Amino acid sequence: GNSVTQMEGPVTLSEEAFLTINCTYTATGYPSLFWYVQYPGEGLQLLLKATKADDKGSNKGFEATYRKETTSFHLEKGSVQVSDSAVYFCALSAAHRSGGGADGLTFGKGTHLIIQP
Amino acid sequence: NAGVTQTPKFQVLKTGQSMTLQCAQDMNHNSMYWYRQDPGMGLRLIYYSASEGTTDKGEVPNGYNVSRLNKREFSLRLESAAPSQTSVYFCASSESPVWSNSPLHFGNGTRLTVT
Repeated sequence: GNSVTQMEGPVTLSEEAFLTINCTYTATGYPSLFWYVQYPGEGLQLLLKATKADDKGSNKGFEATYRKETTSFHLEKGSVQVSDSAVYFCALSAAHRSGGGADGLTFGKGTHLIIQP
Repeated sequence: NAGVTQTPKFQVLKTGQSMTLQCAQDMNHNSMYWYRQDPGMGLRLIYYSASEGTTDKGEVPNGYNVSRLNKREFSLRLESAAPSQTSVYFCASSESPVWSNSPLHFGNGTRLTVT
């Protein structure tokens, strides 16, 4: 079945540091890949997505590139801010569903990011 | 625009009690989902409804039932609560099934404790 593995935290960085959160996946076919962010006390929000190999998703200074050869979708940001402190989830969905199988995203366990001033 | 609204925000139940978690969306989305979030486990899909009138099991459906009341509302029922159901429950919706790359929109969650 499908699965997502991401580094578990907490990851603690100083403001303006470079961020990488690793994400690798196992899936049949050609999944779409997503990063969601969860701020304290809130639900998850879509941060960025990529739907095919070599696509780069980007939003709010965050980037991630869909690497089929390494089955990875690592999240990066050049200079983090205190306001980026949150839990980040990598997720995938099957590109096509035929003849059964549950809908919905498969999520990683989440990475808690703490940015210190 | 309210988005996805969940009620209640917090609930404490005793083992064996029943309750219904409510979810409503105002974005005219076709698909709706219930997830549970547990420490160290990420989010796991309980049930989903690809469209009005249909429901299907997800990864962890045991102990739960759902009702897609209309296009807006999707409720989750615990008939006999157990301590293992202590969790944060999230409702989500999407314009189309997520396998079509439609993003999920989440509510703010219901924190349930079963003692």
